[in-house]
Amino acid sequence: DQQVKQNSPSLSVQEGRISILNCDYTNSMFDYFLWYKKYPAEGPTFLISISSIKDKNEDGRFTVFLNKSAKHLSLHIVPSQPGDSAVYFCASRTTQKLVFGQGTRLTINP
Amino acid sequence: DTGVSQNPRHKITKRGQNVTFRCDPISEHNRLYWYRQTLGQGPEFLTYFQNEAQLEKSRLLSDRFSAERPKGSFSTLEIQRTEQGDSAMYLCAGSPGGSSGNTIYFGEGSWLTVV
Repeated sequence: DQQVKQNSPSLSVQEGRISILNCDYTNSMFDYFLWYKKYPAEGPTFLISISSIKDKNEDGRFTVFLNKSAKHLSLHIVPSQPGDSAVYFCASRTTQKLVFGQGTRLTINP
Repeated sequence: DTGVSQNPRHKITKRGQNVTFRCDPISEHNRLYWYRQTLGQGPEFLTYFQNEAQLEKSRLLSDRFSAERPKGSFSTLEIQRTEQGDSAMYLCAGSPGGSSGNTIYFGEGSWLTVV
């Protein structure tokens, strides 16, 4: 069963615009949510996280929003830059381990 | 730098051979994880150590897979009698304990190709 879903396999955004990546989860026991960025042939790199007691966390160009009632989180990147082109994974924590979505490939076009 | 080193970075092996991957986390990472990632999928949890104790194993970890963390420092993941379906990236990750332990930090991964 896929407890964490990223329904958009890919997303293309113009440089300078906002990128919005979405993630849905089913397990109400998840208490912490994270976003990772991954380049080919490298391990995932941590980007930003949010606790289940908050609804927003911001770090520079990156903002994560959490809607617990909808079991939905999103990552906003603004302004988008060419170096943001990568695969983005959302992850949810339960019992000390992370469950990942399938990833969304973000392409930033100049 | 995530504080997690893995080697080898790439391994090509013949079906039926055994392979071993090593992970070296910094001392602050008292939790250590192994994940596997195949093309088009997110990382899948395999197993988790708190210091030297293996606390959880996924059902993905068949009896051909074994992981150890003998002194609570480095860890090894061994795959016996490799099969083509084992071809994947094997990711090690570490996490500090306490209030900083919410985030896990991944190494660069070890690619396995079984031919």
